[in-house]
Amino acid sequence: EVQLLESGGELVQPGGSLRLSCAASGFTFSSYAMSWVRQAPGKGLEWVSGTSGRGGSTYYADSVKGRFTISRDNSNNTLYLQMNSLRAEDTAVYYCAKKTSASGDTAPFDYWGQGTLVTVSS
Amino acid sequence: QTVVTQEPSFSVSPGGTVTLTCGLSSGSVSTSYYPSWYQQSPGQAPRTLIYSTNTRSAGVPDRFSGSILGNKAALTITGAQADDESDYYCVLYLRSGIWMFGGGTKLTVL
Repeated sequence: EVQLLESGGELVQPGGSLRLSCAASGFTFSSYAMSWVRQAPGKGLEWVSGTSGRGGSTYYADSVKGRFTISRDNSNNTLYLQMNSLRAEDTAVYYCAKKTSASGDTAPFDYWGQGTLVTVSS
Repeated sequence: QTVVTQEPSFSVSPGGTVTLTCGLSSGSVSTSYYPSWYQQSPGQAPRTLIYSTNTRSAGVPDRFSGSILGNKAALTITGAQADDESDYYCVLYLRSGIWMFGGGTKLTVL
């Protein structure tokens, strides 16, 4: 059974940093691209970032480019999102999502974690 | 600035059929956009229904189907049930690894 468990969300001040983790199990982690998707309170889903199976390709939404960094540790089956220069508008539940193949670009999402809440506020 | 469009809300009668759509602010949606559909109930994570236009995700009943209708992607629910009342999101692949979600459709079953 595919399982994705996010962690690391907490209250952080504007301008601060945070690293989210997503522990994966139930599939061969390195064979699948992964993504982060967020949802601000009461709002819709927003794609944030993606990475290929081996981590060699990474992609970012314009809203986070230059501030967020996606990475993965395939030996520990874990996906990360390093978030710097955080803003109030980054407040959201952050979901990790597995993709259907190793391809980081066109592969769609199939499984989702339960999310972790990031709150950016002073 | 590309925008992915969805109906803000829709209602369907129990047992009825409803088609939700997913369009682009400029241009037509084709299979090259790999349209996908997700269902989300309040307080829950999204659940994948359909990806790559019409591939049903594991465990999704066949009363959910995806297609291209005219210049939009479409999600059709046949035999609507009370627990289909949820928010539905589509996502499109734009370019260079970039994906964009629509604003979501709130479906009411009554």
